[in-house]
Amino acid sequence: ELKVEQNPLFLSMQEGKNYTIYCNYSTTSDRLYWYRQDPGKSLESLFVLLSNGAVKQEGRLMASLDTKARLSTLHITAAVHDLSATYFCAVAGDGLTFGKGTHLIIQP
Amino acid sequence: EAGVVQSPRYKIIEKKQPVAFWCNPISGHNTLYWYRQNLGQGPELLIRYENEEAVDDSQLPKDRFSAERLKGVDSTLKIQPAELGDSAVYLCASSPRGLAGGPSHYNEQFFGPGTRLTVL
Repeated sequence: ELKVEQNPLFLSMQEGKNYTIYCNYSTTSDRLYWYRQDPGKSLESLFVLLSNGAVKQEGRLMASLDTKARLSTLHITAAVHDLSATYFCAVAGDGLTFGKGTHLIIQP
Repeated sequence: EAGVVQSPRYKIIEKKQPVAFWCNPISGHNTLYWYRQNLGQGPELLIRYENEEAVDDSQLPKDRFSAERLKGVDSTLKIQPAELGDSAVYLCASSPRGLAGGPSHYNEQFFGPGTRLTVL
């Protein structure tokens, strides 16, 4: 059974700081997704990582995938308040298995 | 391009009552998913359809939950009777056909706004 663990589950940080969210998974997969969810809203796709060593960047967010370590990271650079949301990683296996999410609060 | 449409957006019912949720996927997407998201958790797959065929319903509580996808487009998820523990957000998602014959459930999934169910 595929298990996906995210950490931290809750993160409060100040604007301008950098931080990294980690996503570990238990069985082999070569496809991983990052989603964003705002309160009361649905999931918005951020990144699709398709192979070992994949790195994608969009604005202040950068995601990477290491399939050998079964680890993906979502790095936030110079955080701004608008990035406050819950971030989920999801690993492809028999469908998608989601982590519990990282609730991110960025304070001015 | 229109996204995944779900209705209703909110539903409040008393326990033991029936409830139904409707989903219209993105046009041309042959794979449709129903997820349940409990408060503070990630979505959990309930059922996956490839066209009109349910290919993965291992997590669907079949004693009270049922789903259908007639004609391989719209889908309905039903709970009868609802229990207090069924309170959650029910999300529908769809994905396009797999590239180069690969499995479609590997492809990016697009989510609808969800139906927030409260069982009293």
